[in-house]
Amino acid sequence: QKEVEQDPGPLSVPEGAIVSLNCTYSNSAFQYFMWYRQYSRKGPELLMYTYSSGNKEDGRFTAQVDKSSKYISLFIRDSQPSDSATYLCAMERGAQKLVFGQGTRLTINP
Amino acid sequence: GAVVSQHPSWVICKSGTSVKIECRSLDFQATTMFWYRQFPKQSLMLMATSNEGSKATYEQGVEKDKFLINHASLTLSTLTVTSAHPEDSSFYICSANTAGETYEQYFGPGTRLTVT
Repeated sequence: QKEVEQDPGPLSVPEGAIVSLNCTYSNSAFQYFMWYRQYSRKGPELLMYTYSSGNKEDGRFTAQVDKSSKYISLFIRDSQPSDSATYLCAMERGAQKLVFGQGTRLTINP
Repeated sequence: GAVVSQHPSWVICKSGTSVKIECRSLDFQATTMFWYRQFPKQSLMLMATSNEGSKATYEQGVEKDKFLINHASLTLSTLTVTSAHPEDSSFYICSANTAGETYEQYFGPGTRLTVT
């Protein structure tokens, strides 16, 4: 079983829709949870991070962590075509080492 | 924001040759740098952790003699793929850590290696 599971998609939604991206994990010791956005042939860009359980909001983006279920989510409101990218969840294994999900390819259609 | 560069952005080499990839933190000093590889449509897999002035630590299953890492300064780490084979073809990405907080890890743009 992989430490982090993420549906690779692809996911295609119309512009303006609310997008929900999710990851599950198996290691209950994970404390830091990150979401990265990666455009084709580029390095990942940090979108949001959350420490332990709870919600965090930044503009159109909301990150949720439910440690009891080992489940994290990223919501994108009022999605834009420029949001089209691959979204990766990541968790810290310890010593700042990150474990990534497979990534979900998201396309926002105008 | 902090910027990490990689050079080259893409490289093609023949089987059996060695290739060096540079990772630089342009506007900050990186106490730790990390090297990842990413196969098409797959996730990033951590290869090794690089600390300035000390030997790199490699993840399980990564051959340290094949993937040589040198962290010569607080702004430069290099990855050398020795005796490259076609199965080494991949996207190699480095990241650099600033103040030690996990979220302050900045990624380079990646280097696409193709071994023919």
